[in-house]
Amino acid sequence: DVKVTQSSRYLVKRTGEKVFLECVQDMDHENMFWYRQDPGLGLRLIYFSYDVKMKEKGDIPEGYSVSREKKERFSLILESASTNQTSMYLCASNDPGTGLGGPQHFGDGTRLSIL
Amino acid sequence: SQQGEEDPQALSIQEGENATMNCSYKTSINNLQWYRQNSGRGLVHLILIRSNEREKHSGRLRVTLDTSKKSSSLLITASRAADTASYFCATDDDKIIFGKGTRLHILP
Repeated sequence: DVKVTQSSRYLVKRTGEKVFLECVQDMDHENMFWYRQDPGLGLRLIYFSYDVKMKEKGDIPEGYSVSREKKERFSLILESASTNQTSMYLCASNDPGTGLGGPQHFGDGTRLSIL
Repeated sequence: SQQGEEDPQALSIQEGENATMNCSYKTSINNLQWYRQNSGRGLVHLILIRSNEREKHSGRLRVTLDTSKKSSSLLITASRAADTASYFCATDDDKIIFGKGTRLHILP
């Protein structure tokens, strides 16, 4: 089974801090994704990556950046955390053979609170 | 850019009954997928139906797709307590776009 692991289930940070969310997948998938999930808004795509060092903006990239130095690891960075970035963050990956729109495998999420 | 929209937003049924959730979308798609999310967990892929398919089964799940009406339905037969979760449809017209989900609660 594909395993997508997010480094923290819960995280509390302060406004203005630089925050790193880490995600690792063990299936050699080339495509990886970061979403945030908010009540009433569903899942929104922040960034995705289709290869090492490659990244593409999703629907809500403002205030975020990403890093993909190794195939298995995709990091989401909040450059200067703000309270409106309090959310559930979900990482996912999929096999490029299925296309960007193919079935995705998700981690269990990081619930991030910015105080 | 919201594409799929699930209906109803919330659904409570007795254990053993069938649960039906619907998804409507706006533009043409390559495929439509359904996911389940248990409370506090990530999403789990359930089933994918391609645009040229009309119906697909997987265990107690039955998915239909009507591209002329731009709609899909997910039927869970003989529901169990473990089916309590949120269910999302996701459409693919290049990349996946998720709906806001239906919260399903199975009553004992």
